[in-house]
Amino acid sequence: GDSVTQMEGPVTLSEEAFLTINCTYTATGYPSLFWYVQYPGEGLQLLLKATKADDKGSNKGFEATYRKETTSFHLEKGSVQVSDSAVYFCALTRTQGGSEKLVFGKGTKLTVNP
Amino acid sequence: EPEVTQTPSHQVTQMGQEVILRCVPISNHLYFYWYRQILGQKVEFLVSFYNNEISEKSEIFDDQFSVERPDGSNFTLKIRSTKLEDSAMYFCASSGEGSPLHFGNGTRLTVT
Repeated sequence: GDSVTQMEGPVTLSEEAFLTINCTYTATGYPSLFWYVQYPGEGLQLLLKATKADDKGSNKGFEATYRKETTSFHLEKGSVQVSDSAVYFCALTRTQGGSEKLVFGKGTKLTVNP
Repeated sequence: EPEVTQTPSHQVTQMGQEVILRCVPISNHLYFYWYRQILGQKVEFLVSFYNNEISEKSEIFDDQFSVERPDGSNFTLKIRSTKLEDSAMYFCASSGEGSPLHFGNGTRLTVT
């Protein structure tokens, strides 16, 4: 079945460091890919998405490119801030009759120190 | 921006008791979902609901679980005869036609 594998955390960085969180997926066909973020005490928020190969999703300085050849959707940010400290989840979905069932990775906890 | 709201934020119950977790989806959304996250593990799909019926459910969603949309605004998850292993964060989500899911802040269920 469909699955998502993302790098184990936790990840600890200093402010303004470069961030990469790796994500690879296994799926038949052409799923849509997502990054969700969970700030402390809050729910899951959509960070960015890409719906087809070579699409780049971007938001709040974060980027991820849908790479079909490597089945990857790595999350990057050039300069992290303390406020980026959160848990990041890679996910894929297939739309079935309008309904979207998400398959999540385990999540990667990011801590950014001042 | 419209939000999905969940109540309560934390529910403590004794093993064997029934609990009802409540959610108010975004008002013009058509698809409703429950996910759960056991501490330290993946967020897992439980069930999706559309047009007043279950459209898909996972193998986790057995006869112990049920969902209902009792009125035009609420979407509930009922867990009968709770077990220790039901302790988890339960997330409600909703979506419009072909749009991404919007999640609530979750209900932390603790079964003692």
